[in-house]
Amino acid sequence: NAGVMQNPRHLVRRRGQEARLRCSPMKGHSHVYWYRQLPEEGLKFMVYLQKENIIDESGMPKERFSAEFPKEGPSILRIQQVVRGDSAAYFCASSPEMVAGANVLTFGAGSRLTVL
Amino acid sequence: GESVGLHLPTLSVQEGDNSIINCAYSNSASDYFIWYKQESGKGPQFIIDIRSNMDKRQGQRVTVLLNKTVKHLSLQIAATQPGDSAVYFCAEGGGYNKLIFGAGTRLAVHP
Repeated sequence: NAGVMQNPRHLVRRRGQEARLRCSPMKGHSHVYWYRQLPEEGLKFMVYLQKENIIDESGMPKERFSAEFPKEGPSILRIQQVVRGDSAAYFCASSPEMVAGANVLTFGAGSRLTVL
Repeated sequence: GESVGLHLPTLSVQEGDNSIINCAYSNSASDYFIWYKQESGKGPQFIIDIRSNMDKRQGQRVTVLLNKTVKHLSLQIAATQPGDSAVYFCAEGGGYNKLIFGAGTRLAVHP
């Protein structure tokens, strides 16, 4: 019973290139969340998706960032024309359907993006 | 330009002592609160949670206290062990699991 799987674990890009980060939720989980973490800081919410739907993208930068969670396959966080400020750890979390209150998010190990 | 992260506050304790990590949350309407532990190079790992209608909850070696009057949350770890060394985050949530994380506290356990 694998947990939340993220890949790549480490990604190096030059300024102006594109970064694609993938997340496969836990088996049976249909909700995916992306968070960003800068060094020595807490996690910042970016986007919440269900299959084929973006539910809340209030934490996503307006430009260059996009996310999807297709019917088949992993969720993808895409960053176009990366800049040095995009260097961070990007964490994906998943949860099952909410039943009678909160469900704890299960986090992946993260993808660490370095922009040169 | 580049952003510079703030240094995390650090709590240093002796192995075997009890640790208390504090957190102030912002939204009085939050329904629940969660403590996560994050080890270096890894994702956050669930420790314990508490709903807003409770003021205390105990787990194995950990206790979470919630004071809604002053919007304060604490995590108590009994008999702290070297394996407890990590960064601890509190998170508040409501609705559909959109969590708001605090800044984190680094726990350093010394033998």
